[in-house]
This record gives sequence, structure tokens and C-alpha cells, in this order.
Amino acid sequence: GAGVSQSPRYKVAKRGQDVALRCDPISGHVSLFWYQQALGQGPEFLTYFQNEAQLDKSGLPSDRFFAERPEGSVSTLKIQRTQQEDSAVYLCASSLGTATGANVLTFGAGSRLTVL
Amino acid sequence: AQSVSQHNHHVILSEAASLELGCNYSYGGTVNLFWYVQYPGQHLQLLLKYFSGDPLVKGIKGFEAEFIKSKFSFNLRKPSVQWSDTAEYFCAVNANQAGTALIFGKGTTLSVSS
Repeated sequence: GAGVSQSPRYKVAKRGQDVALRCDPISGHVSLFWYQQALGQGPEFLTYFQNEAQLDKSGLPSDRFFAERPEGSVSTLKIQRTQQEDSAVYLCASSLGTATGANVLTFGAGSRLTVL
Repeated sequence: AQSVSQHNHHVILSEAASLELGCNYSYGGTVNLFWYVQYPGQHLQLLLKYFSGDPLVKGIKGFEAEFIKSKFSFNLRKPSVQWSDTAEYFCAVNANQAGTALIFGKGTTLSVSS
């Protein structure tokens, strides 16, 4: 597609529910990133994929957070047993390159999660 | 670990005023520097970037930024703002290494009155 597509755009979950957020990166983009953006804050790094390999998951806040990209394209971020502090916008970004950090990330519109 | 500091949380300007948003980072090695903008209701978009070469970089919509290595700074400037520049601005940095994550500042909200 022309851009990074995320779904759902809005998700309301009851505390304790599991949620799954989907990201469709730009076709051919090797790198995929997930970020969490709380209200009034900048995006915070969660995890990074190079093709299907999850090379960095140091930003995942707890073991309730899990991400996968099994075929190197679409990625899913799963949050188990959601808590109120998980309420945020979850951003997905992709980039064409892998060689260095000199890559431009293209962001999706985000999935806004509200946990009641 | 890298970090990014944006000094101004909220800036309010009148149209035609000049703009400078501060950004400082902490990292001892070679870095790549970015400014992203988020207009109301839209997603994050790249405004400009610095990888190497001329430390004064120009981006879209008349924005520019200057990388001053000795000050670990990458301030964003525009000589004359417009109402349509109302948005949130994020400075970001990553180390010039394979697969490194982009680290963002907390952002600066710019409000321009007409």
C-alpha cells in the first residue's frame, strides 16, 4: 500500500481483556517498529523487527506485551490482561533499509487503546 | 543510552513571528537527527533529517534545523510561521548503527494565532 496501515484505529477494552493491534507496513519495507505514545508524551520505543526477526524488544514494558511478524510483512502487537496504564496510542512505523540507523521511518495513524 | 530533551512544552506565536524550538540529545557517538511533525488529526510526518554533511538542513514548508555537534543540539527554526504550522513537533535521534531505535523527545506544541 501507499502508507502504513493500522487497525483498529480505536479500541476500548475492559481491564483484563486481551487486545491485538495490527500493522500493515509499506510493501517491501524491511524494518518495522512499534511505539507507544501516552497522552502528552513523545512516542516511546517498544520493539523492532528486521523482516521476521525481532531484533530488539527491550522497550516492551512487561511480559504482557508480545509482538510478532511471522512472514516479514504484517505485524501484530498483542497485549494480554490489559491494565489502565496500557491506555495509549500504539504507533507502527516501517522503513526500507536495515544497514544503519540512517533510515527514515514512515508512521501509521496509530491505534488508540483505552482500557476501562 | 540515548535521550532527547525538548525545552519548550508549549509555544504560542502570532503569524509571521519567527520560531526556534530547542532540542538537545545525549549520546557520545555518531547520530542521525530528525524532526517529525504531527498536525491535528494526522499522523507523524518527517519534517527534516540530518545524516551527515552540511549541518544546516532544510526541510519542507520553510523549516530548517542546524546540527551543532559541540552543543549536542539540533534546533528547529522557521523565519515566519503561518497559522497552518500549528502542530506538535518532535525531535528524534538514533545512533548510526544497524537496527537502532529512534528515540523521541516529549514534543513541543506550537500554537499559531492568525
